Amino acid sequence: GAVVSQHPSWVICKSGTSVKIECRSLDFQATTMFWYRQFPKQSLMLMATSNEGSKATYEQGVEKDKFLINHASLTLSTLTVTSAHPEDSSFYICSARPGLLNTGELFFGEGSRLTVL
Amino acid sequence: LAKTTQPISMDSYEGQEVNITCSHNNIATNDYITWYQQFPSQGPRFIIQGYKTKVTNEVASLFIPADRKSSTLSLPRVSLSDTAVYYCLVGDRYSGGYQKVTFGTGTKLQVIP
Repeated sequence: GAVVSQHPSWVICKSGTSVKIECRSLDFQATTMFWYRQFPKQSLMLMATSNEGSKATYEQGVEKDKFLINHASLTLSTLTVTSAHPEDSSFYICSARPGLLNTGELFFGEGSRLTVL
Repeated sequence: LAKTTQPISMDSYEGQEVNITCSHNNIATNDYITWYQQFPSQGPRFIIQGYKTKVTNEVASLFIPADRKSSTLSLPRVSLSDTAVYYCLVGDRYSGGYQKVTFGTGTKLQVIP
């Protein structure tokens, strides 16, 4: 099946620094990628939808200047948490949808756990 | 987007069949129903997808009544490794697939030895 890889799988940073998380579709081209955030014992919360070559669409309440999303190619999307604070500590998950032979199935990355000290 | 409602949690003994029902009263004509499984600290994993009637694959069955306002994921003879959160999603499969994919609360299944 299709594979989506996230990197890093976990990261610890100091408050005020920026952290970049990469999401790659390894064996298919993803025209659309989604970024989610998940707090402990909660469901996935959609943060933004990104389409290759265009600006991301952010969900209400998600600060676009704080969570920078770049979908520069059909196989790579990045999420940068700028000036991270402890409340940004969470599990971030990306998913991708193939552009061709789309069956509606979403392929998810392994997730990236961010801890801000 | 059709909203989904699932039980928050379920317990089952090993070897039993587990049925998890999802309500989606305002499902649209073009919407498909998809179920995902998520283990702790992992991304969700596709289980099964269907439009109507019954779909079966190597891990589960999906039952969808004629009115499509609900669906039931059936896991045969569960094992401890099936302990996970199960999410029901509803969305348009075509025209580029889901325009936006949001998750409901999911059902936390706990399999007991």
